Amino acid sequence: EVQLVESGGGLVQPGGSLRLSCAASGFTFSSYWMSWVRQAPGKGLEWVANIKQDGSDKYCVDSVMGRFTISRDNAKNSLCLQMNSLRAEDTAVYYCARARRYNSASGPTYLDYWGQGTLVTVSS
Amino acid sequence: QSALTQPPSASGSPGQSVTISCTGTSTDVGAYNYVSWYLQHPGKAPKLMIYEVTKRPSGVPDRFSGSKSGNTASLTVSGLQAEDEADYYCSSYAGSNNLVFGGGTKLTVL
Repeated sequence: EVQLVESGGGLVQPGGSLRLSCAASGFTFSSYWMSWVRQAPGKGLEWVANIKQDGSDKYCVDSVMGRFTISRDNAKNSLCLQMNSLRAEDTAVYYCARARRYNSASGPTYLDYWGQGTLVTVSS
Repeated sequence: QSALTQPPSASGSPGQSVTISCTGTSTDVGAYNYVSWYLQHPGKAPKLMIYEVTKRPSGVPDRFSGSKSGNTASLTVSGLQAEDEADYYCSSYAGSNNLVFGGGTKLTVL
């Protein structure tokens, strides 16, 4: 059974940093792209970042570029999101998700398994 | 990357069919057959219902179907059941390894 368990969320002041983790199990982690998606309170879903199987390619939404870094440790079946210079608008539940793609010519095109999410609150 | 446009709400009675639209542009929905749909119950994680416009993952009832015409994709839920009441989100590949989501539609089963 595929399982994704996020951790690391919490309350942080504006300008602060937080590191989210996602523990994966039930599948060959190193064979899949992975993604982070967030959902602000009462709002819709927003894709945040993708990372390739071997970590060599990373992509993120413009609003977090230069502040957030996605990474992975295939030996530990772990996905991370390092969040720096946090802003109030980064307040959200952050989901880890397994990403799939149609073929090698495209990036990830859908997310087939999701974790339960971890809440990040940026407030003074 | 701009969000895809979905109606904020939709509703139907048990047994009826409801269709939810998702409008994008020629650079996302219109450019690729990579539209997916997700169901989210309150306080829960999203669940994949449709991928690549029309495909259903294993375990998703065939009451759920997807389609696309031009820059607009649609999700149809037939034979509405109480448990279908949830928020539904569309998503599309937008090129350059980016994904874009819709704003979500709250489906109410009357």
